Amino acid sequence: DGGITQSPKYLFRKEGQNVTLSCEQNLNHDAMYWYRQDPGQGLRLIYYSQIVNDFQKGDIAEGYSVSREKKESFPLTVTSAQKNPTAFYLCASSMARDRGQDEQYFGPGTRLTVT
Amino acid sequence: AQRVTQPEKLLSVFKGAPVELKCNYSYSGSPELFWYVQYSRQRLQLLLRHISRESIKGFTADLNKGETSFHLKKPFAQEEDSAMYYCAPPYFPGANNLFFGTGTRLTVIP
Repeated sequence: DGGITQSPKYLFRKEGQNVTLSCEQNLNHDAMYWYRQDPGQGLRLIYYSQIVNDFQKGDIAEGYSVSREKKESFPLTVTSAQKNPTAFYLCASSMARDRGQDEQYFGPGTRLTVT
Repeated sequence: AQRVTQPEKLLSVFKGAPVELKCNYSYSGSPELFWYVQYSRQRLQLLLRHISRESIKGFTADLNKGETSFHLKKPFAQEEDSAMYYCAPPYFPGANNLFFGTGTRLTVIP
């Protein structure tokens, strides 16, 4: 454990509010990722970033936004436009290599509940 | 798009029985695949990677290019193997690929 942290562990919000999930890593990894994990649907990629000040949409980016101002940090904002935001959110990081990624290291996750 | 497919969402086996979790991939080139595991109340973590050809916790995974598969196998399942297992390809910059399979929940029955 350690190396990549997410906070808070549980988060509750009212519908219509934006909320930002924190992800920090001290592994000196170039690449960082955000996934959501839903029962029966496995892991789905929201956004990823290969380098500071650059990020790309994953498979389900609608209603989410990210920033990568520092190598260590990759916060995810769940906006009010996300139609089904209640989920378990996982952040991960990895070394980036020219021909492919190394293994991903995962944070403990944040469970977001929107009512 | 480059894909991995895990056809079984749920798999139950008895303790001591062999277990095989299926993973098929649909992209060309030299695949470098991974298996990740998520035990109850623990972080998702790497179980093994194809390139290392090692056995972890009794699990092995052989890449079969003819069948485009990377099935995870263990000859004798243990109760502590009960977990969620994900197959994953590497990411290639510029590609539009799904990183992880949808996962298989393995339950080992005592």
